Parts: sequence; C-alpha cells; structure tokens
Amino acid sequence: GESVGLHLPTLSVQEGDNSIINCAYSNSASDYFIWYKQESGKGPQFIIDIRSNMDKRQGQRVTVLLNKTVKHLSLQIAATQPGDSAVYFCAENSGGFKTIFGAGTRLFVKA
Amino acid sequence: DAGVIQSPRHEVTEMGQEVTLRCKPISGHNSLFWYRQTMMRGLELLIYFNNNVPIDDSGMPEDRFSAKMPNASFSTLKIQPSEPRDSAVYFCASSLGQGSNQPQHFGDGTRLSIL
Repeated sequence: GESVGLHLPTLSVQEGDNSIINCAYSNSASDYFIWYKQESGKGPQFIIDIRSNMDKRQGQRVTVLLNKTVKHLSLQIAATQPGDSAVYFCAENSGGFKTIFGAGTRLFVKA
Repeated sequence: DAGVIQSPRHEVTEMGQEVTLRCKPISGHNSLFWYRQTMMRGLELLIYFNNNVPIDDSGMPEDRFSAKMPNASFSTLKIQPSEPRDSAVYFCASSLGQGSNQPQHFGDGTRLSIL
C-alpha cells in the first residue's frame, strides 16, 4: 500500500536573503523553547533557546522571537547560506523531562 | 569536545534477530534520552534516564524493547526479537539537568533496517 509520511512545510530562499521559520506551540504552560537544525544523516543540533521571560534572543546570524500571547515562535536566519539547508525543529518544555518536538520545516537555500 | 557518540551508525539485520544500540553521553550530563525518528511519526521519545535510573519508559513500543544504563557513560537500547516495523533512525541525546532548562544534545543516530 501507499505509505503516508509527514509532509514537512518547506521554505525556499535565495542565498543571501533572510529566512523566517515559524512554529506554533501547543502548551501555554511551556516556559522553555529550543530550535534545532537537522542535516541529512545527522542528529538534531542545538541552535538557540529562549525562556518564557524573554521575547527575543539573538545568536550568531540567528534570532528567536517568542510571542506567548499567540503561542508562536520564530527563527530568523540572516544572510542565509547553502549550509543552512536542513530541517529545522522547534521544541517546547513545560518543566520536567519531556521536550515536545514539532514536525519540522525544511529549508532549501538556492544558490 | 566529544559529543554524544552512538554505535553502530548503520545496522541491517533480518527479522527475529536481536539488535543492540549503544550510546555514550556527553561527560557530566546526567540525563539521557532515547528517541526514534521515522517519516511517519517524526521524533518519538522512547525512554528517559536521570542519574542512570529509568524515569519514564512509557514511549517504549512494546516488551521487545528494553534499555539499560549501567553507568553514567554508557547506555544500550535492545530490540529482541526485531521486526521490519522497527526500521527507523534511533537517536540518543543527553543533557545537563532534566531538559526543562537545558538543551538536549543528540548523537548522529543509528540507522536500523530490519529485513
């Protein structure tokens, strides 16, 4: 029979442009949020995190924005490069050990 | 610094065989997680250890799956007997603390194929 898998949202951007990857989280009690990058054949790699007492945090070429009112998280990548092509996961934690991962967004960077 | 190390990277075996996956967490991390990733279901938590003690194994699919952590630097995930539906990529992750305020660090996974 036909297999049905997760259909990941896909974002395609031109090299050098900025990328914005969005994520809606589910639990209003979540207070810790993480973005991961997963390249083909590798495990998810930590990019940046943010706690609920903040609404913005910046790293090297990346910025995470948190809007608790609408339970929305975004990852902004400045000057996107071919090496940024990967699947990006948002994750949330409401205390305790269980971190809930989103389904992921696939980013394609066109040279 | 060495990250989380998993072995083997790839495993192909026939159904019915026993499969053992291995993980060495990052030194000093006291939490260890086993995940399974498939196209159908995404990333699923199988079991969580804290200070070498299994805390939650509610994600383990069935009794064919078992996991151990005999010491702070080693964990195994065993499937016996294996079935084709167990084919997936299995990840081990570790963190400092239980994950509520520290990110998990993942190994590069074991790609398991059961024929």
